Amino acid sequence: AQKVTQAQTEISVVEKEDVTLDCVYETRDTTYYLFWYKQPPSGELVFLIRRNSFDEQNEISGRYSWNFQKSTSSFNFTITASQVVDSAVYFCALSERNAGNMLTFGGGTRLMVKP
Amino acid sequence: DAGVIQSPRHEVTEMGQEVTLRCKPISGHNSLFWYRQTMMRGLELLIYFNNNVPIDDSGMPEDRFSAKMPNASFSTLKIQPSEPRDSAVYFCASSPGAISTEAFFGQGTRLTVV
Repeated sequence: AQKVTQAQTEISVVEKEDVTLDCVYETRDTTYYLFWYKQPPSGELVFLIRRNSFDEQNEISGRYSWNFQKSTSSFNFTITASQVVDSAVYFCALSERNAGNMLTFGGGTRLMVKP
Repeated sequence: DAGVIQSPRHEVTEMGQEVTLRCKPISGHNSLFWYRQTMMRGLELLIYFNNNVPIDDSGMPEDRFSAKMPNASFSTLKIQPSEPRDSAVYFCASSPGAISTEAFFGQGTRLTVV
């Protein structure tokens, strides 16, 4: 069965620091998809990125970057020059090809960025 | 598009009462999901519909929970009778339906059962 582990339950940084959120996954499927979602204090879940298992190319979007490594079953998320508005809970999630679009979420990492 | 719309945003009810949560998915999306979020268990999938048909309801906690999707633009999650342990935030999400496209979430319904 699939599983997503986010070992860091809470991280606190000072504004402008870089921060990396870890995500480790388990799956038996050879085709799968990884996601990151952001949940700000207002409570909604905001989609950030989707990667498929055949594409290990790292991605950068502004201050956000993602490092996908199949060898270590990891999909880590880095925020460069963090800002107070980045404070949120971040969830990593996995879906398997054979499971439709059902997402299995990690437990989330609460990021607090202090001014 | 207005996104996934859930109602009500907040619901407080007494134990034993029936509760109905509502969801309007994004137009054109074929897949609809109900998730529950609690401090203890995190985000759990309750049920998944594809083209209005329930595909996987293995996450529904017990017979007190039921979900329907009578048409492509509306779904309900009903709890009868409600219990305090059902207190949680319930999210509805929809996706276009192609394999493993991202799901778009509503703002959630915060349910409190007293």
